[in-house]
Amino acid sequence: AQSVTQLDSQVPVFEEAPVELRCNYSSSVSVYLFWYVQYPNQGLQLLLKYLSGSTLVESINGFEAEFNKSQTSFHLRKPSVHISDTAEYFCAVSERNSGNTPLVFGKGTRLSVIA
Amino acid sequence: DAGITQSPRHKVTETGTPVTLRCHQTENHRYMYWYRQDPGHGLRLIHYSYGVKDTDKGEVSDGYSVSRSKTEDFLLTLESATSSQTSVYFCAISELGAGYTFGSGTRLTVV
Repeated sequence: AQSVTQLDSQVPVFEEAPVELRCNYSSSVSVYLFWYVQYPNQGLQLLLKYLSGSTLVESINGFEAEFNKSQTSFHLRKPSVHISDTAEYFCAVSERNSGNTPLVFGKGTRLSVIA
Repeated sequence: DAGITQSPRHKVTETGTPVTLRCHQTENHRYMYWYRQDPGHGLRLIHYSYGVKDTDKGEVSDGYSVSRSKTEDFLLTLESATSSQTSVYFCAISELGAGYTFGSGTRLTVV
């Protein structure tokens, strides 16, 4: 079984400052990793994912995450945040090469960008 | 999201009544999931399906049942709603190589 720990429940940051949202996972098997974003009163949108290959993955809106197998981490970073990045962010894992096993989510990190 | 719809979007019901939430997909994906979202808990898996009439329990399945009689529909039933089942419910679909797609959610309030 897998588990996900998001180390910060809330992260306030000033506009144009850098941000890192931390995610650690636990699994006895290899995993796929995901970051989802949820804007207020909306559903979940996939932000980025690591399936294989390069350990650094990027999204179209400037976020990036790096898979670190030795530290079992998949931290999300952005060098300069905007007000519009205010949202809740969820890290999730699923088993690799086991069909489509259900996603296991962390408890979420609420990012608040302050003008 | 396109290809997956949840109904109703909002529902208020009384304690002890049965409630059924519907997830409908047009993507012909094999896998379907029901999650509930609660503050401080993230999303937790209730039940999932890996094919017609093939379902399995998730982390928080007590008090819930599901049915999948055809590929496109996955129903979640609360047999006798309780206040602890007040939550936002999300359906998701997936297929090998296609990733996971989430519905817009159903906000259920049990009074």
